[in-house]
Amino acid sequence: SQQGEEDPQALSIQEGENATMNCSYKTSINNLQWYRQNSGRGLVHLILIRSNEREKHSGRLRVTLDTSKKSSSLLITASRAADTASYFCATDGIQGAQKLVFGQGTRLTINP
Amino acid sequence: DTGVSQDPRHKITKRGQNVTFRCDPISEHNRLYWYRQTLGQGPEFLTYFQNEAQLEKSRLLSDRFSAERPKGSFSTLEIQRTEQGDSAMYLCASSFSDRGEETQYFGPGTRLLVL
Repeated sequence: SQQGEEDPQALSIQEGENATMNCSYKTSINNLQWYRQNSGRGLVHLILIRSNEREKHSGRLRVTLDTSKKSSSLLITASRAADTASYFCATDGIQGAQKLVFGQGTRLTINP
Repeated sequence: DTGVSQDPRHKITKRGQNVTFRCDPISEHNRLYWYRQTLGQGPEFLTYFQNEAQLEKSRLLSDRFSAERPKGSFSTLEIQRTEQGDSAMYLCASSFSDRGEETQYFGPGTRLLVL
């Protein structure tokens, strides 16, 4: 079963705008990761944030993590058409559980 | 670094046939994972190996499914007596375990269609 949910399920914005996606999860975690998936292809790793971190940046990406609310957000600034994809958050559990548990994803469309 | 590769990329088979997929991980990675993804959903964990040892299997992995990683390098996933419900994308990922921060790198997937 899925660990949690992404919100919104679909997001459509104009090129140049910022896109924010949220992720909620259910159990305690070790790390939370965000992945991107272009239609019908494999997943590309974007960023990992540890449970003791609150915010992390990578290029145009900003990820926040609130373990008290069991939630994370991914912000993509100055969006480009090439950012059109599905975005998934994935968590790995504590106590050495290494499998990733994914949400259902947010389908992001950037309109030129 | 050539990344994770999977073969074949697409497979169409008839119900009841057996299929086998191969995954070649990034060469220095000691962990290898299999996931399954159906349309509109996130990937779901199937099983994982540390070196050649299969350490965890999901309840999704029925007795028709078997996975091996004989020499701790490439892995195979076999589905026997395929059913239409097995139609999905099968994703392989590999990682190097290192003090609790572990990034899994995914291959392009094998898309299976069971007719």
